Amino acid sequence: DIRMTQSPSSLSASVGDRVTITCRASQGISNYLAWVQQKPGKAPKSLIYAASSLQSGVPSRFSGSGSGTEFTLTISSLQPEDFATYYCQQYNALPFTFGPGTKVNIK
Amino acid sequence: EVQLVESGGGLVKPGGSLRLSCAAAGFTFKKYSMDWVRQAPGKGLEWVSSISSGGGTYIYYADSVRGRFTISRDNAKNSLYLQMSSLTADDTAVYFCAREGDGIQPIDYWGQGILVTVSS
Repeated sequence: DIRMTQSPSSLSASVGDRVTITCRASQGISNYLAWVQQKPGKAPKSLIYAASSLQSGVPSRFSGSGSGTEFTLTISSLQPEDFATYYCQQYNALPFTFGPGTKVNIK
Repeated sequence: EVQLVESGGGLVKPGGSLRLSCAAAGFTFKKYSMDWVRQAPGKGLEWVSSISSGGGTYIYYADSVRGRFTISRDNAKNSLYLQMSSLTADDTAVYFCAREGDGIQPIDYWGQGILVTVSS
């Protein structure tokens, strides 16, 4: 199985900050990488697919980059509604595996 | 608007069975592959199973559920199912129904989730 890791596991940031989350795959996955946001008690929401393509309706302050084994999710200017946990997921090979998540807290 | 609504969750004893359903609306259900993803209390997301579009020819399971869970779909009813048997406490989780995007795409829409609790 492809193992996904994320760093940091949590971070504290203020509204307006630029936030970057890193995701690494245990083997190359090309650009078959998605990012998912989840707020407490809510369903996940898909943000990004193919490492850098925004899902419909996702604000442009979210961006993704990377290929192979290292990927990043960047929020250019953190908004109050962005405080949540973010997961990366590889869909290059079964089983589709998720990273452990990065919790973005309010500073 | 894409809607995915799960039902059928609840409390079940270890060794028991349960069938989850997911009612889909707002899109042409038969054209999309569908997934189940679960989340144990306080834990991260775990992919459980996938079924291909159309007749559901291609079916995949996580090792943790293979042989105990069965995914299926009824395109006439716009519904996805997950039959779960030989349940253990480790299967306690919120189960999400999810739609995969067009082509080789990951999940693009998620249901609100349904809680399954396995306890005596």
